[in-house]
Amino acid sequence: KAGVTQTPRYLIKTRGQQVTLSCSPISGHRSVSWYQQTPGQGLQFLFEYFSETQRNKGNFPGRFSGRQFSNSRSEMNVSTLELGDSALYLCASSITGLSGWNEQFFGPGTRLTVL
Amino acid sequence: GENVEQHPSTLSVQEGDSAVIKCTYSDSASNYFPWYKQELGKRPQLIIDIRSNVGEKKDQRIAVTLNKTAKHFSLHITETQPEDSAVYFCAATANNDMRFGAGTRLTVKP
Repeated sequence: KAGVTQTPRYLIKTRGQQVTLSCSPISGHRSVSWYQQTPGQGLQFLFEYFSETQRNKGNFPGRFSGRQFSNSRSEMNVSTLELGDSALYLCASSITGLSGWNEQFFGPGTRLTVL
Repeated sequence: GENVEQHPSTLSVQEGDSAVIKCTYSDSASNYFPWYKQELGKRPQLIIDIRSNVGEKKDQRIAVTLNKTAKHFSLHITETQPEDSAVYFCAATANNDMRFGAGTRLTVKP
């Protein structure tokens, strides 16, 4: 099976712009979770989607949003970018998601740089 | 919400020695505790996990223990090898939410 893929892998934006990141889960996985990784804050949970429904959201402002499509692919959007949004954004897929005891598989990440 | 603390932040051992990384969590509803290894420039990869109904789990040189009463869990790596050098993250899952520890940078010196 193909692994989790994320596009684009690298992105450079300027403050005030918006960005959309994409994540394609492993075939058969219905859950996609998103995480932000920075040197200062470490790995932080953004949100989880399961069967097109957001099941939970981490402690991030409303500028961070996401959605999931019927084929389980997910996108996250960040509006009005700030310098502090520069990070590696990781998505992870699993069969039943964070409510179940099963392994999450991470994608390679999208490195976002905000200038 | 859940809060996960991880210690130490850095750990250096000689090849062949054991390494122990400890995590504590705050939410008693947490029921799943994975450990991830992340090498430089790569994605996190699950190395072992434990469910709340189990006290210990072992996979070759890696073991994890869980003390639900004390709300802490630990990763044990025996017979360390240079390729074990990486950043290790613990995590705790509760209520569709996964929280990570800050990470431990493990260096195994040959």
